[in-house]
Amino acid sequence: SQTIHQWPATLVQPVGSPLSLECTVEGTSNPNLYWYRQAAGRGLQLLFYSVGIGQISSEVPQNLSASRPQDRQFILSSKKLLLSDSGFYLCAWNPVGTSSYGYTFGSGTRLTVV
Amino acid sequence: AQRVTQPEKLLSVFKGAPVELKCNYSYSGSPELFWYVQYSRQRLQLLLRHISRESIKGFTADLNKGETSFHLKKPFAQEEDSAMYYCALSGDYGQNFVFGPGTRLSVLP
Repeated sequence: SQTIHQWPATLVQPVGSPLSLECTVEGTSNPNLYWYRQAAGRGLQLLFYSVGIGQISSEVPQNLSASRPQDRQFILSSKKLLLSDSGFYLCAWNPVGTSSYGYTFGSGTRLTVV
Repeated sequence: AQRVTQPEKLLSVFKGAPVELKCNYSYSGSPELFWYVQYSRQRLQLLLRHISRESIKGFTADLNKGETSFHLKKPFAQEEDSAMYYCALSGDYGQNFVFGPGTRLSVLP
């Protein structure tokens, strides 16, 4: 069966420090991968999505970047965190070319920038 | 452009009462609609999708293309239904999901 792992679960980082959040999927090949940020009152905001290795699409301009070094690995990064980067980040995946299946989400990372 | 609206941020009902979580969308093509739920301290998970016409945990949702709505309904709410509910719309090839802002359902004893 397919599973998605996301870590760490919580992270407290000082302003200006780098960030690396990792997400991996097991039990499937060539998934679509996504990074979302969940903000109170704003719902889920799509940050990045990837349809293949090295292919990243950014939905909103920001202080973050994403990379997909391997088929089932998706990384969210920042060189210098801002206070406004605090939030709850969710990784998700779905099979390629199948909008009907919806997404499967990771358990999320609570990031607090201090 | 795709857009999903959920007009209620918070909905409180008493146990045993009917509940309806509203969702409206705008999309130029044929949409795929979903409801996601996040219980306290659990991950966001798919509750149901319109294409399967299923009933999950007593919840149903009917896609009304005329009213561009996909309201979530349950005839008798239970306390364990208390959670955050998100309506979502998918575009072509599953790549362009758009989520509504969410509605927090609180079922009171």
